[in-house]
Amino acid sequence: DIQMTQSPSSLSASVGDRVIITCRASQSISSYLNWYQQKPEKAPKLLIYAASSLQSGVPSRFSGSGSGTDFTLTISSLQPEDFATYYCQQSYSTPRTFGQGTKVEIK
Amino acid sequence: QVQLVQSGAEVKNPGASVKVSCKASGYTFTTYDINWVRQATGQGLEWMGWMNPNSGNTGYAQKFQGRVTMTRNTSISTAYMELSSLRSDDTAVYYCARSLTGTTAGNWGQGTLVTVSS
Repeated sequence: DIQMTQSPSSLSASVGDRVIITCRASQSISSYLNWYQQKPEKAPKLLIYAASSLQSGVPSRFSGSGSGTDFTLTISSLQPEDFATYYCQQSYSTPRTFGQGTKVEIK
Repeated sequence: QVQLVQSGAEVKNPGASVKVSCKASGYTFTTYDINWVRQATGQGLEWMGWMNPNSGNTGYAQKFQGRVTMTRNTSISTAYMELSSLRSDDTAVYYCARSLTGTTAGNWGQGTLVTVSS
């Protein structure tokens, strides 16, 4: 199974900050990497697919990069509605696997 | 628009089974895999398996092999996930999702809370 490791597990940031979350795969997954945002009591929301493609309707302050084993999600200017938990997920092979999540909290 | 609507919350005794449904609309049901993902309270996302609604082929995470069964009824565009021999640590919100690849990874059901308690 491919293990996905996110860092950090949590972070505190202020509105307007640039936030970077990283995700590392235990083996190469090419660009088969999704990023999700999840708020309490809600289903995950797709932000980025194929490592760097912005899902329709998602604000452009979200961006993704990387390929192979190392990936990043960047929020260029954190907004109040961005405080949530973020997950990466590989779609290269089954079993599909998720990172453990990164909780973004208000500083 | 694409929608996945799941059945309502369930409370089950340990050892029982639960069957959660996921009704698809807004697209051709047989065109995309349906995946099931669960999330215990305060925990991360855990993939359980997938089903091809066209062929009925399935693939399950090893952890759930022998306890989970994924089926479908194409006439009503509905997928099902049945989990047996329930334990207290199966208490979680269960989600269906249309594929987990590409832009279609954006379609998830609203979640179904399954509580296992005596």
